[in-house]
Amino acid sequence: QLQLQESGPGLVKPSETLSLTCTASGGSISSSSYYWGWTRQPPGKGLEWIGSIYFTGSSTYYNSSLKSRVTISVDTSKNQFSLRLSSVTATDTAVYYCGRATISGGGFDIWGQGTMVTVSS
Amino acid sequence: DIQMTQSPSTLSASVGDRVTITCRASQSISSWLAWYQQKPGKAPKFLIYKASSLESGVPSRFSGSGSGTEFTLTISSLQPDDFATYYCQHYNSFSPNWTFGQGTKVEIK
Repeated sequence: QLQLQESGPGLVKPSETLSLTCTASGGSISSSSYYWGWTRQPPGKGLEWIGSIYFTGSSTYYNSSLKSRVTISVDTSKNQFSLRLSSVTATDTAVYYCGRATISGGGFDIWGQGTMVTVSS
Repeated sequence: DIQMTQSPSTLSASVGDRVTITCRASQSISSWLAWYQQKPGKAPKFLIYKASSLESGVPSRFSGSGSGTEFTLTISSLQPDDFATYYCQHYNSFSPNWTFGQGTKVEIK
């Protein structure tokens, strides 16, 4: 059964770039049936989709509200995909989840456990 | 952008109650809707896709319905494990993006 695990710094300074990696185990991300994406949840608030990528890296999709600051990439040789969010502020403080979305149905059927990222000096 | 609005924001119910949560889209989304359950400190759990298809392993007391702009998630007989926050999510298959509703918290009455 595929599992996803987020990793990266838990503390990022304002104006710097947040970088997270999602590593898949128990399966390959090189499947034509899925997108791989990131979602975040500020403390006490709801879920916000950040962006998604196809395993070839040829197609990326971003939330329009974050598009200017977000880059998602994939490294199939490491079975990983990554998130970079630039020019962070305190409003980017959140739990960040990686996940797998089925192309046929659209839902995120597998999620990582999430990683808390705090933006603070 | 399409907006997803859930109601109510909070719902108080008892074990055994039938519970219905509504999700409305700002324009027609066909059946491109998913539902999730989230408990505190945990990742969301995938429940339903394409508005009414139950994900494997999800108890049959959960059901989804609707198409176009109005959708519902129903729990036929609320169990202690069901007290959680529920989110709807639209998937735009033409220009892939995903939009969540704001969530509905189901709490103990």
